[in-house]
Amino acid sequence: DTAVSQTPKYLVTQMGNDKSIKCEQNLGHDTMYWYKQDSKKFLKIMFSYNNKELIINETVPNRFSPKSPDKAHLNLHINSLELGDSAVYFCASSQDPTRTRGGTDTQYFGPGTRLTVL
Amino acid sequence: KNEVEQSPQNLTAQEGEFITINCSYSVGISALHWLQQHPGGGIVSLFMLSSGKKKHGRLIATINIQEKHSSLHITASHPRDSAVYICAVYSGGGADGLTFGKGTHLIIQP
Repeated sequence: DTAVSQTPKYLVTQMGNDKSIKCEQNLGHDTMYWYKQDSKKFLKIMFSYNNKELIINETVPNRFSPKSPDKAHLNLHINSLELGDSAVYFCASSQDPTRTRGGTDTQYFGPGTRLTVL
Repeated sequence: KNEVEQSPQNLTAQEGEFITINCSYSVGISALHWLQQHPGGGIVSLFMLSSGKKKHGRLIATINIQEKHSSLHITASHPRDSAVYICAVYSGGGADGLTFGKGTHLIIQP
């Protein structure tokens, strides 16, 4: 069974559209994350979500919003997509209950979603 | 904000060679992660360490807190080790959480 899954794997859409990427983990972890990997393969954390506490990277535009219906899911909603949003988005989870945003606990990554905005 | 530098950026070696990838950071940290990104894009966490040394199979990670430096070693390298290796550090506080290096692209030729 896949530990951390994401859907869709590929997403191609027009500028200005609103889209969502889903993430689910079956590890029983307390904390989930969203990362963006740009064209230069540079990873950057966007959000971490733990026990209903959301920690936002201040550089992330407010067009991006995570939604967590329950502890096993953290979906990423993106409004008014822009060309610069094209990237690979990774979801991850960790047991980390201590609000260190994954800093001190092993993270398990999903397979990634390649978003292309035309 | 922590600055994370990895070296080398690119490394090509022959099968069987001993590989070393380095990671330096500028601010004291609580933990350092080594990640492996396969050519297909998947990311796997290899190690999380805050002191000393960890070993898993042919992989060894070391960290020197005083020198703000970590190394990832691969013994008896194999073409399946070809991947991008990414260092990430956690120094606590702030909105950025983990800070990632730009990765080292390793190719092991048969």
